[in-house]
Amino acid sequence: GAVVSQHPSRVICKSGTSVKIECRSLDFQATTMFWYRQFPKQSLMLMATSNEGSKATYEQGVEKDKFLINHASLTLSTLTVTSAHPEDSSFYICSATPGTSGRETQYFGPGTRLLVL
Amino acid sequence: GIQVEQSPPDLILQEGANSTLRCNFSDSVNNLQWFHQNPWGQLINLFYIPSGTKQNGRLSATTVATERYSLLYISSSQTTDSGVYFCAVADDYKLSFGAGTTVTVRA
Repeated sequence: GAVVSQHPSRVICKSGTSVKIECRSLDFQATTMFWYRQFPKQSLMLMATSNEGSKATYEQGVEKDKFLINHASLTLSTLTVTSAHPEDSSFYICSATPGTSGRETQYFGPGTRLLVL
Repeated sequence: GIQVEQSPPDLILQEGANSTLRCNFSDSVNNLQWFHQNPWGQLINLFYIPSGTKQNGRLSATTVATERYSLLYISSSQTTDSGVYFCAVADDYKLSFGAGTTVTVRA
């Protein structure tokens, strides 16, 4: 089956530092990747959509200068949380799909827990 | 965007019991997925089911697209079925998630 990995699985950083999270599709080429955020006891909220070789599309209310997304290849997307603050602490999850029509299954990574002190 | 409502919000089951989880959505969709989020946060794909009926072991799902709802059936529940079950839908390519149903299966 389709496998998506994320690295790191957990990160603790000091306020003001930047953190990079990698999302990789291991056995398929991901035309589109998505980044979600999940606070404790809440549902997943879509942050942005990235397509290989083009700029990411951010959801309303998500600061594109704070959450930098790079989809450099068909198997790798990165999310960089710049100048992280305690309110950025959350569970970040990526997903990937081989298509662009929306009719394909999205496959999710295991998530990254970010704690900003 | 599409509104997604899941019910019930919480469900406590005795091991061996059967249950039905419901997902209502507000508009036509071309993608509907059911997930189980385990205690470590991993989202496990259960079904891709924008319409029709599917079965996988003790789990099955039915989506009636014309009436805008989907049902997830868990039969002979086991303690490992505990966790949060999410329904997510899309009318383009962006999934909107429901609030989830938290299932607790007691031995």
